[in-house]
Amino acid sequence: DQQVKQNSPSLSVQEGRISILNCDYTNSMFDYFLWYKKYPAEGPTFLISISSIKDKNEDGRFTVFLNKSAKHLSLHIVPSQPGDSAVYFCAASYTGGFKTIFGAGTRLFVKA
Amino acid sequence: EAQVTQNPRYLITVTGKKLTVTCSQNMNHEYMSWYRQDPGLGLRQIYYSMNVEVTDKGDVPEGYKVSRKEKRNFPLILESPSPNQTSLYFCASSSLGTEYPNPYGYTFGSGTRLTVV
Repeated sequence: DQQVKQNSPSLSVQEGRISILNCDYTNSMFDYFLWYKKYPAEGPTFLISISSIKDKNEDGRFTVFLNKSAKHLSLHIVPSQPGDSAVYFCAASYTGGFKTIFGAGTRLFVKA
Repeated sequence: EAQVTQNPRYLITVTGKKLTVTCSQNMNHEYMSWYRQDPGLGLRQIYYSMNVEVTDKGDVPEGYKVSRKEKRNFPLILESPSPNQTSLYFCASSSLGTEYPNPYGYTFGSGTRLTVV
């Protein structure tokens, strides 16, 4: 049973518009959430994270929102750029757990 | 340059022939981990290590072995590979600092694509 779910395998967005990638989780012990970005033939690279004591974290064009009651987080990219085209993985972990659980990934296409 | 280096990048082997995928990091990280990526399943953790001589199973450890004799190296060993171990493998590392998880996430290697025929 997947504890971290990304239900959209792919998303297509026009350059300059907002991209919203969604992630749901089931384990209420998770207290730290991360987003990674992956280009073909490369390993994932860390993008942004959020602790469960916050509901929003911003870094430039990237903002992550956390809704603990709904066990849902989302990554907003504004404005989207063609270079953002990649696979985005949502991940979750809990303090002292020493494991990070990843979702299946969402492939983002940003059209010029 | 701070990095995680995996070798080989590509490997085709036959069922039952023992193989080792090497992983080395130059960041003096305590924590290292192996993941496999399969379509529709994302990244699943195979084994992890919190320091030298300290290893533990992840979610899909069957058919794999690891060792951590030195801090920088964390090889993944397939004693008798089978076709269901055909996958894309990633090694990752992270500092533990004062607590886990590291708010800056993992540093991943570039991956090893393994095909077992």
